Amino acid sequence: AQKVTQAQTEISVVEKEDVTLDCVYETRDTTYYLFWYKQPPSGELVFLIRRNSFDEQNEISGRYSWNFQKSTSSFNFTITASQVVDSAVYFCALRLVGAQKLVFGQGTRLTINP
Amino acid sequence: DAGVIQSPRHEVTEMGQEVTLRCKPISGHDYLFWYRQTMMRGLELLIYFNNNVPIDDSGMPEDRFSAKMPNASFSTLKIQPSEPRDSAVYFCASSSNRVTQYFGPGTRLTVL
Repeated sequence: AQKVTQAQTEISVVEKEDVTLDCVYETRDTTYYLFWYKQPPSGELVFLIRRNSFDEQNEISGRYSWNFQKSTSSFNFTITASQVVDSAVYFCALRLVGAQKLVFGQGTRLTINP
Repeated sequence: DAGVIQSPRHEVTEMGQEVTLRCKPISGHDYLFWYRQTMMRGLELLIYFNNNVPIDDSGMPEDRFSAKMPNASFSTLKIQPSEPRDSAVYFCASSSNRVTQYFGPGTRLTVL
């Protein structure tokens, strides 16, 4: 069975600080996809990024960056120079290639204080 | 482009009443998913459709729950009769390439 663990339940930082959200996953399959979604206070789930298991290249998008390491089964998410608008619950998720079910972690509630 | 549309956004009903949640997927997407989010269980997949056909309903909690997709642009999730433990946020999602699922804004259901 697949499992996604986000050990950090809540994180609170001051604006402009860098913050890293941890995600550790478990699967016996060798091909899978990893995702991050953002759930702002308004409640919707917003897709942020998808990575394939065969592509360990890290990715940067503006202030967001993702570090994928198969050796440690981790897919961590870093926000640089955080802003109040980054306050949200962030979910990491896993999906096997050939399957449809998204397995979500429990989420990390990130609060950016002005 | 319009995203996934769900209605109503909020629903308050009394125990025993029938509840119908609605979803319009992104045009051209051939997969549609229903999820439920609760504090205790997090995000759970209830059922998904491919080309309007239900493929996996193993996540549907019990017979009180049913879902239909009569055409490519509309799906419903029905709870009859509703119970207080059904209170949750219900999300609909759709995908076109079988990989990335795009979620609607959700329906917050409260059963009194």
